[in-house]
Amino acid sequence: GNSVTQMEGPVTLSEEAFLTINCTYTATGYPSLFWYVQYPGEGLQLLLKATKADDKGSNKGFEATYRKETTSFHLEKGSVQVSDSAVYFCALRSFQGGKLIFGQGTELSVKP
Amino acid sequence: GAVVSQHPSRVICKSGTSVKIECRSLDFQATTMFWYRQFPKQSLMLMATSNEGSKATYEQGVEKDKFLINHASLTLSTLTVTSAHPEDSSFYICSAREAGVTQYFGPGTRLLVL
Repeated sequence: GNSVTQMEGPVTLSEEAFLTINCTYTATGYPSLFWYVQYPGEGLQLLLKATKADDKGSNKGFEATYRKETTSFHLEKGSVQVSDSAVYFCALRSFQGGKLIFGQGTELSVKP
Repeated sequence: GAVVSQHPSRVICKSGTSVKIECRSLDFQATTMFWYRQFPKQSLMLMATSNEGSKATYEQGVEKDKFLINHASLTLSTLTVTSAHPEDSSFYICSAREAGVTQYFGPGTRLLVL
């Protein structure tokens, strides 16, 4: 079946450090891929998405590229801020089905 | 982006009572709405999927008589936790999708059953 695997957290970085959160997926067909962010005590916000291979999603300095050959959608940011501290969820939605399938989430903590 | 609201944001109730949570899509028509449950430090667990005007589809292991879902219009879905017990305490998140790929999430409702 379809699944999403994220790197385990928590990830702790200093402000202005480079961020990578790995995400790999297993899916039949050509899924759409998403990154969502959840700030403490809140729901999920869509951060970025990509709907086909080689697409790059970007928002607020975050980027992720849909790599079909490696079945990956790693999240990157060149310079993190304290305000980026949150839990990040990678997700996929299969072409046929309607359900979002989430990874387990990766907690990011950015220290000043 | 599209906005999804939930009400209430927090609710405390006594064991045995029922609690209703509303989910609204504020600036788009949601053909499909989803209800999730999230335990602390964990990912979201899909409870059910509902399409406007039809019965909800529940995930395996979710009691449909306990978690009543109504999707009466293209902008409103409700989740009623019936005869709530302390083990039902959790963070409930709704999500809405218009005709397309992207799902938008509400801010969540924290339920505490005493």
